[in-house]
Amino acid sequence: QVQLMQSGAEVKKPGSSVRVSCKASGDTFSNYAISWVRQAPGQGLEWVGGIIPIFGTTNNAQKFQGRVTITADESTSTVYMELSNLRSEDTAVYYCARIALRDNYYYSGMDVWGQGTTVAVSS
Amino acid sequence: DFQMTQSPSTLSASVGDRVTITCRASQSISSWLAWYQQKPGKAPKLLIYKASSLESGVPSRFSGSGSGTEFTLTISSLQPDDFATYYCQQYNSYLLTFGGGTKVEIK
Repeated sequence: QVQLMQSGAEVKKPGSSVRVSCKASGDTFSNYAISWVRQAPGQGLEWVGGIIPIFGTTNNAQKFQGRVTITADESTSTVYMELSNLRSEDTAVYYCARIALRDNYYYSGMDVWGQGTTVAVSS
Repeated sequence: DFQMTQSPSTLSASVGDRVTITCRASQSISSWLAWYQQKPGKAPKLLIYKASSLESGVPSRFSGSGSGTEFTLTISSLQPDDFATYYCQQYNSYLLTFGGGTKVEIK
């Protein structure tokens, strides 16, 4: 049974960067994409970006353009999300989640989720 | 970008009620829509994908319908475990979008 295990909570200063990891166990990245979704305190879900590891292709929401970098290490089945130039509004729980692919397009919703990583940005 | 609008934002209902949540897309997304349930402090849980396909292990009281720009999630008989927040999400393109969420509260 596949699980996604995320790295631990982070406290960061404004203007700094954070890197969160998401390691898959029980399966490989074949035929799956990994997305990053965040949830600010008391707010809804917000898609940050994603990667298709077998192709190395990434996409991200317009609002994060230039600030987010998503990479994958297939040898360790780990995906990384780095968010730079942090501001207080980036304080949130960050989740990674798996999406099945078919014919290189998203087929299903996000069926497996990590446990979430809290990122707090404060001076 | 595709915008997703959910309604209502809050819904008060009783155990046994039939509940319907609506999600509208700003442009056609065919059937590339998923529904999630989220409880406080927990990761979301996939309920429905491809607009009407029930995820494995999800109770059959949950159903989804629609295509194009209008979608609904229906809970046929609300159970105590169903009080939660529900989100729709489109995946018509590689750029994904969530709806704003619908909180289902106890009446």
